[in-house]
Amino acid sequence: AQSVTQLGSHVSVSEGALVLLRCNYSSSVPPYLFWYVQYPNQGLQLLLKYTSAATLVKGINGFEAEFKKSETSFHLTKPSAHMSDAAEYFCAVSVANDYKLSFGAGTTVTVRA
Amino acid sequence: EPEVTQTPSHQVTQMGQEVILRCVPISNHLYFYWYRQILGQKVEFLVSFYNNEISEKSEIFDDQFSVERPDGSNFTLKIRSTKLEDSAMYFCASSVSEQYFGPGTRLTVT
Repeated sequence: AQSVTQLGSHVSVSEGALVLLRCNYSSSVPPYLFWYVQYPNQGLQLLLKYTSAATLVKGINGFEAEFKKSETSFHLTKPSAHMSDAAEYFCAVSVANDYKLSFGAGTTVTVRA
Repeated sequence: EPEVTQTPSHQVTQMGQEVILRCVPISNHLYFYWYRQILGQKVEFLVSFYNNEISEKSEIFDDQFSVERPDGSNFTLKIRSTKLEDSAMYFCASSVSEQYFGPGTRLTVT
């Protein structure tokens, strides 16, 4: 079985500050890892994914994530937060691109002016 | 940009009633999914559908649930006799490589 744990249900950052969202995974096979973002009243939008190629993955809106097998982590970062980054962020794991996703509990990001 | 659409955005129903949640996946996608998120809980996988049949289902997806692709464009989730605990946000997704999600249908069972 696969699972992810997101550390911190709520993160508050100042505009322009680093955003760091933590995700640790558990998988018995090489994982496919994803970060999704959900803005209010919208669906889940894919930010980026790791599929066993480069360990540093760049996504949309200036986000990136680094796969660290030794730490079973896939943390999401953005160097400089913008007000528009306020949303809920979900980490997810799967065994393939088209297979079911197992989601973490989500982290809500608020950005202070 | 193509997107997954879902209707209705909000459905209120009484316990024991049947509901059908509708989804229009992205047109060239081959895999279809339903997930749900009970308020305050994780997004959970319900079922995946490929080549006109269920490819996998979770333990949540019992005999009260069914899925159908009736006309080659819509993808529906039917709950035969709703329970209070079925109240949740239901997300449809489709994929050809990664999964694209719709905006969700909020189902409230009273």
